[in-house]
Amino acid sequence: AQSVTQPDIHITVSEGASLELRCNYSYGATPYLFWYVQSPGQGLQLLLKYFSGDTLVQGIKGFEAEFKRSQSSFNLRKPSVHWSDAAEYFCAVGGGNSGGYQKVTFGTGTKLQVIP
Amino acid sequence: EADIYQTPRYLVIGTGKKITLECSQTMGHDKMYWYQQDPGMELHLIHYSYGVNSTEKGDLSSESTVSRIRTEHFPLTLESARPSHTSQYLCASSDRGRTYTFGSGTRLTVV
Repeated sequence: AQSVTQPDIHITVSEGASLELRCNYSYGATPYLFWYVQSPGQGLQLLLKYFSGDTLVQGIKGFEAEFKRSQSSFNLRKPSVHWSDAAEYFCAVGGGNSGGYQKVTFGTGTKLQVIP
Repeated sequence: EADIYQTPRYLVIGTGKKITLECSQTMGHDKMYWYQQDPGMELHLIHYSYGVNSTEKGDLSSESTVSRIRTEHFPLTLESARPSHTSQYLCASSDRGRTYTFGSGTRLTVV
């Protein structure tokens, strides 16, 4: 069964500092990997995705993520955080089939707080 | 602009009432989903549809029901709301590549 672990429930960083959000996944083959962001009271917005090819993926809003198969990780990074980046971030893995349904499993999220 | 819309955004309703949460998308996606989201918890899939007249239950057991009579419309119904149904409900649709587009959600409170 596929699963996603986001070990950090809550992270606080200073504005302008770098950011790394951790994501570990469990999946039997090459996974489809995603990062979504959710602002308060909103739905989830796709930041970036990895399907194949270059393991360093660029996304919107200056985010990037690196797929490391040996570590089963897909960590999200940003070199300089802005106050508007405060939100909740969800990692997701997909690819398994369950009766025709292409299952996507979401992590429990990491809430990012940005301080001045 | 292609998008996915959920109404209402917020709903407070009494126990025993019947409610329908609306979800519509303009992207022509065949696949649509309903997720339940509680604070600090992962998103739980409660229903999905792969096309018109196709609906399936998801990973999390739910007393709600769904219908898919038109490609763009995927409403969720609770026949008799209870306080345990209090949650945020997110609707999503996807293309073939499993990339989901989410609506803004409906925050339901049953009192």
